[in-house]
Amino acid sequence: EADIYQTPRYLVIGTGKKITLECSQTMGHDKMYWYQQDPGMELHLIHYSYGVNSTEKGDLSSESTVSRIRTEHFPLTLESARPSHTSQYLCASSAFGAGSGYEQYFGPGTRLTVT
Amino acid sequence: RKEVEQDPGPFNVPEGATVAFNCTYSNSASQSFFWYRQDCRKEPKLLMSVYSSGNEDGRFTAQLNRASQYISLLIRDSKLSDSATYLCVVRWRSGGAGGTSYGKLTFGQGTILTVHP
Repeated sequence: EADIYQTPRYLVIGTGKKITLECSQTMGHDKMYWYQQDPGMELHLIHYSYGVNSTEKGDLSSESTVSRIRTEHFPLTLESARPSHTSQYLCASSAFGAGSGYEQYFGPGTRLTVT
Repeated sequence: RKEVEQDPGPFNVPEGATVAFNCTYSNSASQSFFWYRQDCRKEPKLLMSVYSSGNEDGRFTAQLNRASQYISLLIRDSKLSDSATYLCVVRWRSGGAGGTSYGKLTFGQGTILTVHP
């Protein structure tokens, strides 16, 4: 089992609220990722990080922001939640380099509903 | 055109059947290929990597055809527990000088498989 955790698992919140989705991994992985996935649809990369103090936007534009102050922690923040943000958010991590096989380990996800 | 395309299915097969999934990718600079499995309302998990020479892991066989930019997954002797969504995943070289790879993956939409008794 992968040692990557996400909280909360489920969140129902009203429009305009600020929310932070937590993601932590205990594998010492340098690289971490956030994906967004709607039901029955593909995963879309919205943020990634190659290490502490490194963050980049992914392939899908997102109004969320991320930070990477510690290797093991990669939180995602929405300053003002909207119904269009309703989705599942998956955090993942991987080790650095070809020797790792580039396998990404996923957390269980946060299912966000904005009313 | 999507970067990674899969037949979404669903594929409904009886136990014991053999089923094959296909996947095409658009970027010829693609470097690494994988099949992930995602159970309903769960996170994706790596099923197997796909190597140029083709590879097998028990009942699962993966093939890669770089010339046609095509990947396949064959499942033999299907089990009820094989029911899931199978994601075709591609990684290509990206980033700075020298084409440094940062391990970003692109996921296909997934193919839904249902194995029934």
